[in-house]
Amino acid sequence: EDQVTQSPEALRLQEGESSSLNCSYTVSGLRGLFWYRQDPGKGPEFLFTLYSAGEEKEKERLKATLTKKESFLHITAPKPEDSATYLCAGYGSSNTGKLIFGQGTTLQVKP
Amino acid sequence: DGGITQSPKYLFRKEGQNVTLSCEQNLNHDAMYWYRQDPGQGLRLIYYSQIVNDFQKGDIAEGYSVSREKKESFPLTVTSAQKNPTAFYLCASSPGIRVAYEQYFGPGTRLTVT
Repeated sequence: EDQVTQSPEALRLQEGESSSLNCSYTVSGLRGLFWYRQDPGKGPEFLFTLYSAGEEKEKERLKATLTKKESFLHITAPKPEDSATYLCAGYGSSNTGKLIFGQGTTLQVKP
Repeated sequence: DGGITQSPKYLFRKEGQNVTLSCEQNLNHDAMYWYRQDPGQGLRLIYYSQIVNDFQKGDIAEGYSVSREKKESFPLTVTSAQKNPTAFYLCASSPGIRVAYEQYFGPGTRLTVT
């Protein structure tokens, strides 16, 4: 069964303290690995799509990487406004459009 | 501005009543989706549609129904048969389903049934 697992569940950082969020996946025939940001009470906001192992994408303080078993979201020198829940999702070979979501990592950045 | 709208933002219903959640998109996307989000769980797919007048069940379709009469609209009805309807409901759309397109989400509707 396809599965996506994120760790840690929650992460507290001081402003400027860099860290990484992990997304482990077992998705048959992975075609895309997605990262989203979700603020409380709002819909997820698309961040990145990674298509193949070794691929990296960056946006401001965020950098996403992909291996054959996991993806990392690296946050460099985070600011309080980076506080949110980060969701990882995999798209496999089912041709249904279905994304397999992890439970998310809730990040809190303190000033 | 292109995007997805969901209404209402908050919805309260009594047990035993059916309720319909609205989802509209002006992105000209063919595919639309409904997800349910519960605390501590990932998003779970309820229904999806790849074209007008066609839709398929997702992982948790029991107690829900949908229609797709227009490309822009994909309303979700939560029926009285849904045992635990209180949740945050998210609508999404993408250009299609056979390629790993990113899905764009609406702002969500929080449904509370008492």
